[in-house]
Amino acid sequence: AQKVTQAQTEISVVEKEDVTLDCVYETRDTTYYLFWYKQPPSGELVFLIRRNSFDEQNEISGRYSWNFQKSTSSFNFTITASQVVDSAVYFCALSGVTFGNEKLTFGTGTRLTIIP
Amino acid sequence: SQTIHQWPATLVQPVGSPLSLECTVEGTSNPNLYWYRQAAGRGLQLLFYSVGIGQISSEVPQNLSASRPQDRQFILSSKKLLLSDSGFYLCACQKLGLAGSRELFFGEGSRLTVL
Repeated sequence: AQKVTQAQTEISVVEKEDVTLDCVYETRDTTYYLFWYKQPPSGELVFLIRRNSFDEQNEISGRYSWNFQKSTSSFNFTITASQVVDSAVYFCALSGVTFGNEKLTFGTGTRLTIIP
Repeated sequence: SQTIHQWPATLVQPVGSPLSLECTVEGTSNPNLYWYRQAAGRGLQLLFYSVGIGQISSEVPQNLSASRPQDRQFILSSKKLLLSDSGFYLCACQKLGLAGSRELFFGEGSRLTVL
């Protein structure tokens, strides 16, 4: 069975600070996908990134960066120089690769509040 | 790219009344479709998913049902709503691709309040 743990329920930081959201996963699959989603106050979930398990290169997109470490089963998300618009609930998720194993397993989310 | 439409966006229903939430997808074909529910301040609970017309898998036993009458239409229903059915319902679309895409794309959500 797959499991995603986001231990941080809520985080508050002052604007311009860096913040890291933790994600730890469990799976018996040797290959899998990891995802991050953002849910702003409007409610719609916005896809941020997909990472394949065989690619452990860290990724950077503007102020966002993702640190995938297979050895510790973690896929952490860092926002650099946070802004008020980053305030949202962030979900980490995991899915299998094989046919019939496409469902995403989501963590419980981390509510991030950026204080102006 | 695909677009997911959900309606109604908001509804308030009395206990015992029926429910119908609709989700339609544009810009893709043969997608996997999902219904999630999010209770206030909580995570996402997968309710149903469908890999094709008429094919529905239920994740949890409950007061709700789903149907997929057309390739890009997914409907969530209930004959008699319970207070516990209140929540934010999200429809999602998944297009499996050769590049290994698995990500879900979500609609705007439907917020249901049962009184």
